Amino acid sequence: EAQVTQNPRYLITVTGKKLTVTCSQNMNHEYMSWYRQDPGLGLRQIYYSMNVEVTDKGDVPEGYKVSRKEKRNFPLILESPSPNQTSLYFCASSPHLVGETQYFGPGTRLLVL
Amino acid sequence: GENVEQHPSTLSVQEGDSAVIKCTYSDSASNYFPWYKQELGKRPQLIIDIRSNVGEKKDQRIAVTLNKTAKHFSLHITETQPEDSAVYFCAASLFKAAGNKLTFGGGTRVLVKP
Repeated sequence: EAQVTQNPRYLITVTGKKLTVTCSQNMNHEYMSWYRQDPGLGLRQIYYSMNVEVTDKGDVPEGYKVSRKEKRNFPLILESPSPNQTSLYFCASSPHLVGETQYFGPGTRLLVL
Repeated sequence: GENVEQHPSTLSVQEGDSAVIKCTYSDSASNYFPWYKQELGKRPQLIIDIRSNVGEKKDQRIAVTLNKTAKHFSLHITETQPEDSAVYFCAASLFKAAGNKLTFGGGTRVLVKP
């Protein structure tokens, strides 16, 4: 089954404790992206990647890192999480460009205390 | 960078009526405009999109119109049904060789009353 998976789905952590949210797709898509969703602010793009080793900043990259060492995986790293990073995070992928249908993962709800 | 504004933030309609959501964008170079629907507790799903070389696109009860001169685009849902109740997001993007940044509007919560 074609899908985008994220882990963990729920995470409670404390300020400053490094964490990684994994994202994996099995559709051989080139384009992958991370978004955060906050009430009243909609979806905001954090980082995106056009292909292996090619990443670029979205609208809200501060406090986040990403890597794209393999085509299928696009982890989101929070080196030193802060409470303002409490949010719902979505990973998404599309075949080549964002202009094609993006498939979203199920979301990761993060609470930073 | 691109800025997308979406109105209204909430919309309540009677079943069978039409719903219209409007978005404006700031970057005249943007050339791709998707619409996403997000049901409560679920992930966003693309429902329709339009590219800048097209003025209107229709898919059954859903249509999108684009006015490049005015930099705004709209989603039209006709004959609304209870299952249309959801949050709808518009977005704008610029295709470029190095990648595609996608900027979303703030969302519209649509409630269809039976």
